[in-house]
Amino acid sequence: DIVMTQSPDSLAVSLGERATINCKSSQDILYSSNNKNYLAWYQQIPGQPPKLLIFWASTRESGVPDRFSGSGSGTDFTLTISSLQAEDVAVYYCQQYYSLPITFGQGTRLEIK
Amino acid sequence: EVQLVESGGGLVKPGESLRLSCAASGFSFTSAWMSWVRQAPGKGLEWIGRIKSKTGGGTTDYAAPVKDRFIISRDDSENTLFLQMNSLKTEDTALYYCTKYSSGLDYWGQGTLVTVSS
Repeated sequence: DIVMTQSPDSLAVSLGERATINCKSSQDILYSSNNKNYLAWYQQIPGQPPKLLIFWASTRESGVPDRFSGSGSGTDFTLTISSLQAEDVAVYYCQQYYSLPITFGQGTRLEIK
Repeated sequence: EVQLVESGGGLVKPGESLRLSCAASGFSFTSAWMSWVRQAPGKGLEWIGRIKSKTGGGTTDYAAPVKDRFIISRDDSENTLFLQMNSLKTEDTALYYCTKYSSGLDYWGQGTLVTVSS
């Protein structure tokens, strides 16, 4: 199984500042035949189901604000929130869909400083 | 508007069975691959399994902890996904989400809570 490890486990950022969450996979999740990284990011606001933010490591889902961006390739990935808003308080998960079983990172709790 | 509405959760004893349903609307359920994901109280997300569309083969895949105990099926005529859970264990206690499986899990239901306790 591919193990997904996020860092940090929790993060406190001031409103308007940048938040960065890292995700590392135990195996390369870049599929060479299509040059796509099989990596997604989700946001889970307390009391709500997860919401897909980013897929293919860097493609924003429709309707997701452009302050959210994803980057990285191979085994190392990053979710960046360029200017933190109050409504971004949530737990964020990375997930690989390169191979079964699909696996998630342990989550990163993002709070306002 | 895409909607996924789970039902069927509840309190059961270890060893018992339960069947969850997920009513889908707002998209072409027939051509969709679907998944179940669970979240134990206060914990992270755990993928349980998926079912391909009939045109994709209709086959199922499961995570190791539930393989041979859980069965995912679908009724395309009713736009409904099912999760048959047998031989339930206390560690199966969780909120169970129905999800549409695409490039990532692009739509999620609100979840249905399953509690396994004696």
